[in-house]
Amino acid sequence: GQNIDQPTEMTATEGAIVQINCTYQTSGFNGLFWYQQHAAEAPTFLSYNVLDGLEEKGRFSSFLSRSKGYSYLLLKELQMKDSASYLCAVIDSNYQLIWGAGTKLIIKP
Amino acid sequence: GAVVSQHPSWVICKSGTSVKIECRSLDFQATTMFWYRQFPKQSLMLMATSNEGSKATYEQGVEKDKFLINHASLTLSTLTVTSAHPEDSSFYICSAPIAGSSYNEQFFGPGTRLTVL
Repeated sequence: GQNIDQPTEMTATEGAIVQINCTYQTSGFNGLFWYQQHAAEAPTFLSYNVLDGLEEKGRFSSFLSRSKGYSYLLLKELQMKDSASYLCAVIDSNYQLIWGAGTKLIIKP
Repeated sequence: GAVVSQHPSWVICKSGTSVKIECRSLDFQATTMFWYRQFPKQSLMLMATSNEGSKATYEQGVEKDKFLINHASLTLSTLTVTSAHPEDSSFYICSAPIAGSSYNEQFFGPGTRLTVL
């Protein structure tokens, strides 16, 4: 079956750096997304990786290793507003999104 | 940037009634739209893929006669929850990829919170 694993919850301190990992096993691979979702809101797009390597966008970076079925989202200079759920999703061979359960990130002052 | 809207943003209805949720792409055409459901503290679950001009494709376990989908134009897809029951209370979200976009980015609507009494 298809499976995406992320930690359920993580806690970090304001101003610090946090890495959220995502491992996947899917039928085919056509890209991996990271989304941010605040409570009771729709997800917002953060990043898209389809080739191996690191993509940097401001305070957020996303890394992909297709051979390992692994990705991480790196958040730097954490702010209180970064408290949210972070969802990892993979596009499979049928071009459908397979979602992870999300990682709830708690930022403490 | 591209915007996807949903209407209504929230709805409360009595058990047994039907509720229609609209999903519109505001500045781009979407031949495909996706409908998701999200229960509290759970991940988004794909319900169906809406295709303009043809029948929707439903995921396993989703009742096509209960969740009616119509994709009548390149900018509008509707989801009708028929004979709603309290267990249908959920957050319904639609999304649309820009047709032909090499980026494969999906734009999400703001969601519709359905509460069935």
